[in-house]
Amino acid sequence: EMQLVESGGGLVQPGGSLRLSCEASGFNIYWNWMSWVRQAPAKGLEWVANIKQDGRDKYYVDSVKGRFTISRDNSKNSVFLQMNSLRAEDTAIYYCVRDQHVVVDGNFYYYMDVWGKGTTVTVSS
Amino acid sequence: EIVMTQSPSTLSMSPGEGATLSCRSSQNVNSHLAWYQQRPGQAPRLLIHSVSTRVNDIPARFSGSGSGTEFTLTISSLQSEDFAVYFCQQYNVWPRTFGQGTKVDI
Repeated sequence: EMQLVESGGGLVQPGGSLRLSCEASGFNIYWNWMSWVRQAPAKGLEWVANIKQDGRDKYYVDSVKGRFTISRDNSKNSVFLQMNSLRAEDTAIYYCVRDQHVVVDGNFYYYMDVWGKGTTVTVSS
Repeated sequence: EIVMTQSPSTLSMSPGEGATLSCRSSQNVNSHLAWYQQRPGQAPRLLIHSVSTRVNDIPARFSGSGSGTEFTLTISSLQSEDFAVYFCQQYNVWPRTFGQGTKVDI
């Protein structure tokens, strides 16, 4: 069974830092882009960041650029999200997600096919 | 960024009834549209990608349709486990964006 298990969430003061981890089992992340998606309390879903298979290409939603860093260790089948300068609006459940692609006319398009259960980040004084 | 708008926000249904959920994109997303289900207290799970392709283990009562900017998720006969929130998502362009969700409740 394919699984993603997140850890590292918790309560942190504004301006603080957290490092989220995501360990995959049942598949090898080597083959996939991986993403983090968050969901603020009683809100919808927001893609946060993703990282290419070899870790060289990374993309972020504008609101976290310069504060969050996504990384991966394929040897440990794991993905990470370093979150610095945290703000109250970063409070959310953070989901680790596997990206899956379809190829159309030679172009790749990525949807999200495996989700972890999430880890909760609360930013409050 | 492409804005995804779902309607209605809440759909009150009875078991056995059929439900139709709508999703509209602010720009053409071609066929790059997915649907996710989120049961209370659980993570989202993928139901459908590429407008109408059901993933493994998703029952045939779920079907997707549409093209361009207008899409529909149809649940032919609601079962108790289908009462949940449903999100659409476009993955035609970056950033990938989600609708705000439709809650299907009893």
